[in-house]
Amino acid sequence: QSALTQPASVSGSPGQSITISCTGTSSDVGGYNYVSWYQQHPGKAPKLMIYEVSNRPSGVSNRFSGSKSGNTASLTISGLQAEDEADYYCSSYTSSSTYVVFGGGTKLTVL
Amino acid sequence: QVQLQESGPGLVKPSQTLSLTCTVSGGSISSGGYYWSWIRQHPGKGLEWIGYIYYSGSTYYNPSLKSRVTISVDTSKNQFSLKLSSVTAADTAVYYCATVVMGIGVAWFDPWGQGTLVTVSS
Repeated sequence: QSALTQPASVSGSPGQSITISCTGTSSDVGGYNYVSWYQQHPGKAPKLMIYEVSNRPSGVSNRFSGSKSGNTASLTISGLQAEDEADYYCSSYTSSSTYVVFGGGTKLTVL
Repeated sequence: QVQLQESGPGLVKPSQTLSLTCTVSGGSISSGGYYWSWIRQHPGKGLEWIGYIYYSGSTYYNPSLKSRVTISVDTSKNQFSLKLSSVTAADTAVYYCATVVMGIGVAWFDPWGQGTLVTVSS
């Protein structure tokens, strides 16, 4: 069981927007602005999409955005495209002895 | 631009030690400012942080693996390594190395190596 809770799957049609949630506790997501999001296509390495809750690395489309409210962080993808179909993982710093925690991952299907 | 590449045996026998190396190119491990991490992903599962190291040799391990894990760094070769002892089938996974950007703790991982599948089987 992962420390951060994500929905197992979400889906949307091209052009639509979807949001993936990532729920933790006050010891991780709620307590620090060190939430990051990763995109992973089948057989590929994870790719950083969002860092520090809402910042996009250079080269990442502005269709990807992040936010946080309380103990829940969210990744929103607007204007869905076929290439967005992938697994998405959230991660957070934690004040517990594990230092960092991941979510269980969410499979995004573009219908 | 920093790139990472994992290398090592793809098959390890039960009870033996898994050994992997990550070679860093495009930047120096000893330049400071970054930590260097190992993360694994069991087949069809999520990500599990294993541990990370600073170029000085300071290490931090996931408590669930700490008794079996050793991460080391070789600044002369611009490499860092993972050793996981007493492996079982449960250690079969894709192992990734990644650069860690730190805040008060782990902030984010970027970039990642391509990953290497290690299978534990006799």
